[in-house]
Amino acid sequence: GDSVTQMEGPVTLSEEAFLTINCTYTATGYPSLFWYVQYPGEGLQLLLKATKADDKGSNKGFEATYRKETTSFHLEKGSVQVSDSAVYFCALMEYGNKLVFGAGTILRVKS
Amino acid sequence: DTGVSQDPRHKITKRGQNVTFRCDPISEHNRLYWYRQTLGQGPEFLTYFQNEAQLEKSRLLSDRFSAERPKGSFSTLEIQRTEQGDSAMYLCASSSRAGGSGELFFGEGSRLTVL
Repeated sequence: GDSVTQMEGPVTLSEEAFLTINCTYTATGYPSLFWYVQYPGEGLQLLLKATKADDKGSNKGFEATYRKETTSFHLEKGSVQVSDSAVYFCALMEYGNKLVFGAGTILRVKS
Repeated sequence: DTGVSQDPRHKITKRGQNVTFRCDPISEHNRLYWYRQTLGQGPEFLTYFQNEAQLEKSRLLSDRFSAERPKGSFSTLEIQRTEQGDSAMYLCASSSRAGGSGELFFGEGSRLTVL
């Protein structure tokens, strides 16, 4: 079945450092890909998405590019802030039905 | 606040008791999802509804679990004869259209602790 694999955390960075969180997926077709974020004490919320190969999703300085050849959707940000500290989940959706999530990656940003 | 709301936010129960969680989705959303999340893991799909019809159930949803959405608005998730392994965060989400954009709007979850 469909699955998503994320790099394990926690990832600890200093403010203004470059962030990469790796995500790869397995799917039978051509899924849509997502990054969701969960800030402390809040519900999951959509950060960005890409619906087809080579699409780039972006939001709040974060970017991810849908790479079909490597089945990847790595999350990047050029300069993280303390307020980016959260849990980040990579996810896919096939056939417009349900989201399948990775295990999540904790990001801690130190000032 | 017009987001997804869940109740109760935290439930502590003894093994063998029944518990029920309620989810009120965003009012114009026709799809409603239930997920379960345990510590250190991502949310796992349990079931989803389009309007009042339950369209898919995960194999994770044993016969002790039942979900309803009787009028296509709020939903309930009942767990009968709870077990310690049921301890988890139960998340509800809603979305506005079938086939959709993948943007699910999540509630803050209902945390279940089974003693």
